[in-house]
Amino acid sequence: AQKITQTQPGMFVQEKEAVTLDCTYDTSDPSYGLFWYKQPSSGEMIFLIYQGSYDQQNATEGRYSLNFQKARKSANLVISASQLGDSAMYFCAMRETSYGNNRLAFGKGNQVVVIP
Amino acid sequence: GAGVSQSPSNKVTEKGKDVELRCDPISGHTALYWYRQSLGQGLEFLIYFQGNSAPDKSGLPSDRFSAERTGGSVSTLTIQRTQQEDSAVYLCASSPGPGLAGDNEQFFGPGTRLTVL
Repeated sequence: AQKITQTQPGMFVQEKEAVTLDCTYDTSDPSYGLFWYKQPSSGEMIFLIYQGSYDQQNATEGRYSLNFQKARKSANLVISASQLGDSAMYFCAMRETSYGNNRLAFGKGNQVVVIP
Repeated sequence: GAGVSQSPSNKVTEKGKDVELRCDPISGHTALYWYRQSLGQGLEFLIYFQGNSAPDKSGLPSDRFSAERTGGSVSTLTIQRTQQEDSAVYLCASSPGPGLAGDNEQFFGPGTRLTVL
């Protein structure tokens, strides 16, 4: 079963505008972590932000924030004030920690193109 | 400090040949992961090493795939009798280890692009 779902088609975003990337997840583990990674065309995976399942507040890292809605099993990424360098694939991932398994399960990604 | 390194960066091989892919994790990181990324897809977990514990091999797609980690550091992923469907980017990542500061982030290497002709 798919653990991470990212279904948005490729997105074009105007520079300086905000963009929201959707991510829903499926788990029965009460303890888990949610991650967002950025993969530019060069191919490297760049860690952006982390949200723990027990964290009371939404995570923020600079221009990145995670809209965590636990009851809906949703972990959307918000990028504020988009920049041309934000053009990339964005992957949502989850780690289920109760079973001693540290692996990340990734979604299929969202393509974002920032236009001037 | 140095990040995760992988070699080779690109590998082209013929169907049926064996290949070895190498990963050097960040010094001191006890956790090491291998993932595979097929064209246009997300990452698929392959195998996870943690310290001296038995590795979690549950993501390996077939018995043609194996991996080892020597001395708790360098890891080698071996694919025997390669098939065209093995063509992908193979990514290695490391992290400090469960419960340790900074373990919420897996640091990825640049990957090895494998092409099987």
